Amino acid sequence: AQKITQTQPGMFVQEKEAVTLDCTYDTSDPSYGLFWYKQPSSGEMIFLIYQGSYDQQNATEGRYSLNFQKARKSANLVISASQLGDSAMYFCAMREANTNAGKSTFGDGTTLTVKP
Amino acid sequence: DAMVIQNPRYQVTQFGKPVTLSCSQTLNHNVMYWYQQKSSQAPKLLFHYYDKDFNNEADTPDNFQSRRPNTSFCFLDIRSPGLGDAAMYLCATSRDKGTNEKLFFGSGTQLSVL
Repeated sequence: AQKITQTQPGMFVQEKEAVTLDCTYDTSDPSYGLFWYKQPSSGEMIFLIYQGSYDQQNATEGRYSLNFQKARKSANLVISASQLGDSAMYFCAMREANTNAGKSTFGDGTTLTVKP
Repeated sequence: DAMVIQNPRYQVTQFGKPVTLSCSQTLNHNVMYWYQQKSSQAPKLLFHYYDKDFNNEADTPDNFQSRRPNTSFCFLDIRSPGLGDAAMYLCATSRDKGTNEKLFFGSGTQLSVL
């Protein structure tokens, strides 16, 4: 089974609207971290947001929030008020405490296009 | 600014001709990673160093080697590049191995094999 599943290869959103990018994960490790990264066409991956498995509150970073539903093993990224500069590929990733310790496992990514 | 720097940005090599990609970091991070990323796919971990400890992924071809002579530098050597090795190579660092450690990436080296 894939560790990280992103089911949306591509998404479109109108500028200034909100968009949700889906991510589900699979682990039996009780301690893990979930991350979202942005990769513009220039290639450099940029960290956006982090959620720990024991965190009670959903993480927020500016216009980014992570909708963490632990029982469903989902960690969706919500981008509010989309901007043209948000057009990029977005990757969900996980780090586990025991299995694959010290490594990040990535999903296949979602390409987001923001339309003016 | 502290950062992860990869050189060169673009590298062209010939089929079978050894090539070395370099990565340096000013973050003083313990862990350095090399990822291979083919067009619009997930980055694939090739290997990582925790300090001087080298960790190879089971499916990383023997054609790929790495060196980390000191904390700041890490090199990826491809001994005999094939056409299938054309890809973006991303270097990343993390402060430590914990589950809360985010990755800091360089801008990548795009490798072409002719």
